[in-house]
Amino acid sequence: QKEVEQDPGPLSVPEGAIVSLNCTYSNSAFQYFMWYRQYSRKGPELLMYTYSSGNKEDGRFTAQVDKSSKYISLFIRDSQPSDSATYLCAVTGNQFYFGTGTSLTVIP
Amino acid sequence: KAGVTQTPRYLIKTRGQQVTLSCSPISGHRSVSWYQQTPGQGLQFLFEYFSETQRNKGNFPGRFSGRQFSNSRSEMNVSTLELGDSALYLCASSLGDRGQETQYFGPGTRLLVL
Repeated sequence: QKEVEQDPGPLSVPEGAIVSLNCTYSNSAFQYFMWYRQYSRKGPELLMYTYSSGNKEDGRFTAQVDKSSKYISLFIRDSQPSDSATYLCAVTGNQFYFGTGTSLTVIP
Repeated sequence: KAGVTQTPRYLIKTRGQQVTLSCSPISGHRSVSWYQQTPGQGLQFLFEYFSETQRNKGNFPGRFSGRQFSNSRSEMNVSTLELGDSALYLCASSLGDRGQETQYFGPGTRLLVL
């Protein structure tokens, strides 16, 4: 079983839609949860970082962690074409574990 | 504060050759991790260095090696290149407190093995 599982998509939505990206993880000892955004031919950039269960909001982005079900989510409100990218979830144990990424396209 | 830098950005090599990639972390960061990213496998962890010592290692053959210098800069080396080594190699730096901070990535080195 992989440490982090992520639906690879691809996901295609119209501009203005709400996007939901999800990951599950295997080890309840994981403490820190991150979302990265990666544009084509670029390195991943940190988008959101959370520690505890619950929600964390930053502008149009909301990260949600449910430790009881080992489930993490990223919601994007009012999606824009500039949000088109691959989104990677990550968790930390003794090292960082990354999901395989979900490719998102926002259509104008 | 300057971000993580990697050199070179692009590299073309032939099978059997070796290659050295370089990474300069964010100032003050003592941990450097290396990843291989391919379309089929996603981000795969190679190794992590902290204070010039390898702290963690992924499941890659011994052809992949690395080191870290006293100024936290790191290099990774791949010997006897194979076609399957073609990938984006990413370096990420962090403060180094295990499990308590995030990693920041460089732009990557895109390696093509012919």
